[in-house]
Amino acid sequence: EVQLVQSGAEVKKPGESLKISCKGSGYSFTSYWIGWVRQMPGKGLEWMGIIYPGDSDTRYSPSFQGQVTISADKSISTAYLQWSSLKASDTAMYYCARQAIQVAAPLRAFDIWGQGTMVTVSS
Amino acid sequence: DIVMTQTPLSLSVTPGQPASISCKSSQSLLHSDGKTYLYWYLQKPGQSPQLLIYEVSNRFSGVPDRFSGSGSGTDFTLKISRVEAEDVGVYYCMQSIQLQAWTFGQGTKVEIK
Repeated sequence: EVQLVQSGAEVKKPGESLKISCKGSGYSFTSYWIGWVRQMPGKGLEWMGIIYPGDSDTRYSPSFQGQVTISADKSISTAYLQWSSLKASDTAMYYCARQAIQVAAPLRAFDIWGQGTMVTVSS
Repeated sequence: DIVMTQTPLSLSVTPGQPASISCKSSQSLLHSDGKTYLYWYLQKPGQSPQLLIYEVSNRFSGVPDRFSGSGSGTDFTLKISRVEAEDVGVYYCMQSIQLQAWTFGQGTKVEIK
């Protein structure tokens, strides 16, 4: 079964650092883009960026460039999203998702999603 | 960034009746490769989003045929021919014509009357 399993919920204080993870299984991890999507409480979806684990090619939304770091360790089929200094406004659910494939052709969309990691930043 | 604008923001539908959601982009989503990079997702309550429609009008694997997509350029529509109880949730359009800047619409909440 193809799946993405994310790390558990986090509660942090402003200024702290954090790295959350997304482990892929059931497919060739290095062959599909993995993206991160933010959903603030009661709000819509925001695309943060994507990484190609095969060569670590990474693209960021201008809104998130410099605010977070996306990385991947292909040896353990895991992608990461990290912050060096959290803010209260980073409180949100974060989803990782895999590039979709249809009829053996890659799509610029996501089909397999992780269960989400809730990050709460509060003093 | 390309801005995606959905209307309406909420919709209350009687089971068995049709529903329609509009999505407009601030720039054309037609790429020089001939593809139009417009997608539709549904996020059911308490769940991760799921892909419904890709490249304007193609149903993704396993998506019921009561869902259909249409449109071109900057104007797109998602239609549900006969709404069922399991269709409740928030529908999002998304563009990915620029590899480094995909954007979602603000979402349309569909509920059952």
